[in-house]
Amino acid sequence: QVQLVESGGGVVQPGRSLRLSCAASGFTFSSYGMHWVRQAPGKGLEWVAVIWYDGSNKYYADSVKGRFTISRDNSKNTLYLQMNSLRAEDTAVYYCARDGGYCSSTSCSPLQNWFDPWGQGTLVTVSS
Amino acid sequence: DIQMTQSPSSLSASVGDRVTITCRASQSISSYLNWYQQKPGKAPKLLIYAASSLQSGVPSRFSGSGSGTDFTLTISSLQPEDFATYYCQQSYSTPAFGQGTRLEIK
Repeated sequence: QVQLVESGGGVVQPGRSLRLSCAASGFTFSSYGMHWVRQAPGKGLEWVAVIWYDGSNKYYADSVKGRFTISRDNSKNTLYLQMNSLRAEDTAVYYCARDGGYCSSTSCSPLQNWFDPWGQGTLVTVSS
Repeated sequence: DIQMTQSPSSLSASVGDRVTITCRASQSISSYLNWYQQKPGKAPKLLIYAASSLQSGVPSRFSGSGSGTDFTLTISSLQPEDFATYYCQQSYSTPAFGQGTRLEIK
């Protein structure tokens, strides 16, 4: 079955870095765009970043632009989020999610910007 | 940026009730509107995409409607497992979510 499993969360001091991973299985990872979405404790959902199926395009929320980098390794079926210069307001559960679009050798709808499925999430706490 | 506003923020209802949640966009988003359900401690789950398309495996008591700026999520007959928080999300431009509607048992 389709599965996304995040890892790499933890407690980190302000200004430090952390890299999250999202291992995908049960589908052709290289055919789908992938997103990161976060949720601060007790708060709503905030979209963070997206990467196209082939890594050719990446987009970020203004709140993380210049500090976070999304990437992927299609040979390892893994999505990453490199988070630098972390701030207290980055404290959240970080989810990876598959985009609703799909690209094959014959047709391509690269991004639909809806999210299904989601991983279980990994908690990042930025605190001194 | 497009802002999404849900109403109400919280709602109490009983099993068997018909419930409607509203989502309004700050500008027209055509039908680029999606709905998610989130239970405590769990990841969100996609219910409806493109305003009215039911995601595979989602019970038919869930339905979505609307276009432009005004959208609704309707649960025709509440079941015990439906008590959760619901989010709308626009996919017209940079993705953005509503603030959520918490559906509680009356």
